[in-house]
Amino acid sequence: AQKVTQAQTEISVVEKEDVTLDCVYETRDTTYYLFWYKQPPSGELVFLIRRNSFDEQNEISGRYSWNFQKSTSSFNFTITASQVVDSAVYFCALSEEIGANNLFFGTGTRLTVIP
Amino acid sequence: AAGVIQSPRHLIKEKRETATLKCYPIPRHDTVYWYQQGPGQDPQFLISFYEKMQSDKGSIPDRFSAQQFSDYHSELNMSSLELGDSALYFCASSYRTGRIYNEQFFGPGTRLTVL
Repeated sequence: AQKVTQAQTEISVVEKEDVTLDCVYETRDTTYYLFWYKQPPSGELVFLIRRNSFDEQNEISGRYSWNFQKSTSSFNFTITASQVVDSAVYFCALSEEIGANNLFFGTGTRLTVIP
Repeated sequence: AAGVIQSPRHLIKEKRETATLKCYPIPRHDTVYWYQQGPGQDPQFLISFYEKMQSDKGSIPDRFSAQQFSDYHSELNMSSLELGDSALYFCASSYRTGRIYNEQFFGPGTRLTVL
């Protein structure tokens, strides 16, 4: 069975600090996809990244970077030089190739960036 | 770029009433997903449709039903509403390339309050 664990329930950082959000997943599939979504206070779910299980290359997009390590079943997300607008709940999610690709979400990490 | 449209954005109902939520996917997207997010919870997958056929089913109560129409829009019908149905209901859409489902893009959600 699939499972996504985000052990950090809440994190607070001061603006301009770097912060890493942890995500650990479980799946029996050899082909799967990992995602990060951002949910700001307004409530919408904003897609950040999708990574497939065969691509372990780390990715950087502006102040965001992702570290995917199959050996530890982790897909961590780092925000560099955090800003107040980064305050949100961040969800890590997993989908498996078999089936209709529905997402299994972690419980989310609430990030608060203090000015 | 066009996004997923959901209507209504807010809905207030009494217990035992019925509700219908609508979702209009991104143009050319053939797959629609419904998720339910309770207060302080992560989104939970309810049901999905591909090319107007149900493709997967999650934790959707028997009181709920859904369908995808010929224009690819989808409706989630909820009957005998209970207080516990109060939640944010997200629709997401994606398109399929062969066996692969691409990333899901979420609508803004419908906030249902049951009194």
